[in-house]
Amino acid sequence: GAGVSQSPSNKVTEKGKDVELRCDPISGHTALYWYRQSLGQGLEFLIYFQGNSAPDKSGLPSDRFSAERTGGSVSTLTIQRTQQEDSAVYLCASSSQTYGYTFGSGTRLTVV
Amino acid sequence: AQSVTQLDSQVPVFEEAPVELRCNYSSSVSVYLFWYVQYPNQGLQLLLKYLSGSTLVKGINGFEAEFNKSQTSFHLRKPSVHISDTAEYFCAVSDRGGSARQLTFGSGTQLTVLP
Repeated sequence: GAGVSQSPSNKVTEKGKDVELRCDPISGHTALYWYRQSLGQGLEFLIYFQGNSAPDKSGLPSDRFSAERTGGSVSTLTIQRTQQEDSAVYLCASSSQTYGYTFGSGTRLTVV
Repeated sequence: AQSVTQLDSQVPVFEEAPVELRCNYSSSVSVYLFWYVQYPNQGLQLLLKYLSGSTLVKGINGFEAEFNKSQTSFHLRKPSVHISDTAEYFCAVSDRGGSARQLTFGSGTQLTVLP
């Protein structure tokens, strides 16, 4: 597609429920990143996929967070047993030549 | 590992005035530097980047930034701002040597342009 597409744009969930956030990167981009943006803070790196290599999961804050990327394209970020501190905007970005990213508009997650 | 410090969390400025948004970084290796802008309810958009060459980098919307290696700074400037420049601005750094090109972001500066 023309840009990075994320869905849903907004998600309200009850504490303890699982959520799935989707990212559809720009076609042909081999690198895909997930970041989390909490209110009043910068962007926190979560996970990175590059081609068929093993993902860099060093930024995932707990084992409740996981992500996969199927067929080198669409990625899904899953948060299990959501907590209120998980409330944030989750941003996905993709990159081809690794200099600078193209970001999606994000998913605003609210855990109530 | 790198870190980025944006010294001002909020910068109010009147329309048509000049503005400078400050960014300092810390890294044990050579880096690439970036500025991104985020308009309300949108993702981040690349304003400009420094990879190599001239230390003065020009970006979109009339913004420019200067890389100062001795001061480890990459301040963003615009000589005359517009109301439409109101947004959050993020400075970011990535390691030149790594293959991941993972970006480390500052905490952001909210620029508010007043009429």
